[in-house]
Amino acid sequence: SQTIHQWPATLVQPVGSPLSLECTVEGTSNPNLYWYRQAAGRGLQLLFYSVGIGQISSEVPQNLSASRPQDRQFILSSKKLLLSDSGFYLCAWSVKRGLSNYGYTFGSGTRLTVV
Amino acid sequence: GENVEQHPSTLSVQEGDSAVIKCTYSDSASNYFPWYKQELGKRPQLIIDIRSNVGEKKDQRIAVTLNKTAKHFSLHITETQPEDSAVYFCAASPGYSTLTFGKGTMLLVSP
Repeated sequence: SQTIHQWPATLVQPVGSPLSLECTVEGTSNPNLYWYRQAAGRGLQLLFYSVGIGQISSEVPQNLSASRPQDRQFILSSKKLLLSDSGFYLCAWSVKRGLSNYGYTFGSGTRLTVV
Repeated sequence: GENVEQHPSTLSVQEGDSAVIKCTYSDSASNYFPWYKQELGKRPQLIIDIRSNVGEKKDQRIAVTLNKTAKHFSLHITETQPEDSAVYFCAASPGYSTLTFGKGTMLLVSP
């Protein structure tokens, strides 16, 4: 069966420090991968998605970047964190079927507090 | 791009009552409509989904209906229980693109 791992679970970082969040998927190959952020309140904001190794699409221009160095690994980074980067970061993957993708499954999330 | 509107933002019901959450979408090409439940501090979890070749889908106390002509879909929860209390998100996608989520509905079920 497929599983998605995301770490760390919580993180407190000072303003101006770098960030690296990692997500890996097991039990599937060539998944679509996503990074979402959920700020105070309830909305899910899509930050980046990837349809393959080295292929990254950015949905919102910001202080963050993403990379996909391996098929089942997705990394979210920042060189210098801002207070506004605080939030709940969720990695997700979806099944590809032809031109379609279904069944988004979320990781357990990282709660980032920038102080 | 796709735009998904979700109502109500908050819904309070008594245990045993039914709850209905409604969503509308804008992109007529959308053909995949999942619903997620998110408990406090946890990840969103897929509870049911429907594709556009189906008008209704049921799983125990949960059902989803889809009206493609009107571009709206709804989540129905019957015989609500306190453990149904959570934030529920609808979403839509044309399949070849990413999911667009609604802003969420906080469901509160009082014993």
